[in-house]
Amino acid sequence: QSVLTQPPSVSGAPGQRVTISCTGSSSNIGAGYDVHWYQQLPGTAPKVLIYASTNRPSGVPDRFSGSRSGTSASLDITGLQAEDEADYYCQSHDGSLSGVVFGGGTKLTVL
Amino acid sequence: EVQLVESGGGLIQTGGSLRLSCAASGFTFGRFWMHWVRQAPGKGLIWVSRINHDGSESRYADSVRGRFTISRDNAKNTIYLQMSSLRVEDTAVYYCVRDYGYSGNNLWHKYYDFWGQGALVTVSS
Repeated sequence: QSVLTQPPSVSGAPGQRVTISCTGSSSNIGAGYDVHWYQQLPGTAPKVLIYASTNRPSGVPDRFSGSRSGTSASLDITGLQAEDEADYYCQSHDGSLSGVVFGGGTKLTVL
Repeated sequence: EVQLVESGGGLIQTGGSLRLSCAASGFTFGRFWMHWVRQAPGKGLIWVSRINHDGSESRYADSVRGRFTISRDNAKNTIYLQMSSLRVEDTAVYYCVRDYGYSGNNLWHKYYDFWGQGALVTVSS
């Protein structure tokens, strides 16, 4: 049972938009801790996709965007492409646990 | 270019010991906290351990505390994870990651800006 809750899977057709949610609590996202998102392509290590809730590292397409509100955060992917098919993880900090926490991950399937 | 390269993974029997290494390059190693994150086959990411910049402080997940020891050698730009009393449930890919911390809203935030390629540890009964 992960501290941050993500849907196990989402899907969309090429060109469509999908949203992946990440729900936390008052001790992590709700306490004001930023949310970060990682993309893990099949057979590879995760890489940071969004940091500090809304920022993209250089090289990440602007089709990817993040937001945070209350005790939740979201990752939006517009203009879906086949190469976006991957697992996506959210991550934050939990003040009660005094440590890093991850979501359980969401598998994105591009139909 | 920042690089993190893990080594030392392999197949080990339950109760055995193994030491993972992570060689870092491309940045001032002694300025960064470092962590180990693991991923069991087909499962999600789980934080395992972290060590501060000079090795004077470390923390562990409850599941490995007392069995795993993290350390670093800043002269060699390397961190280690000594794993003992290994269990089948420790089977995972172990990633070495760099901690990027920053302040905001009177809080300290962190994320993992660089990841190694991972080292597979398989514990067999």
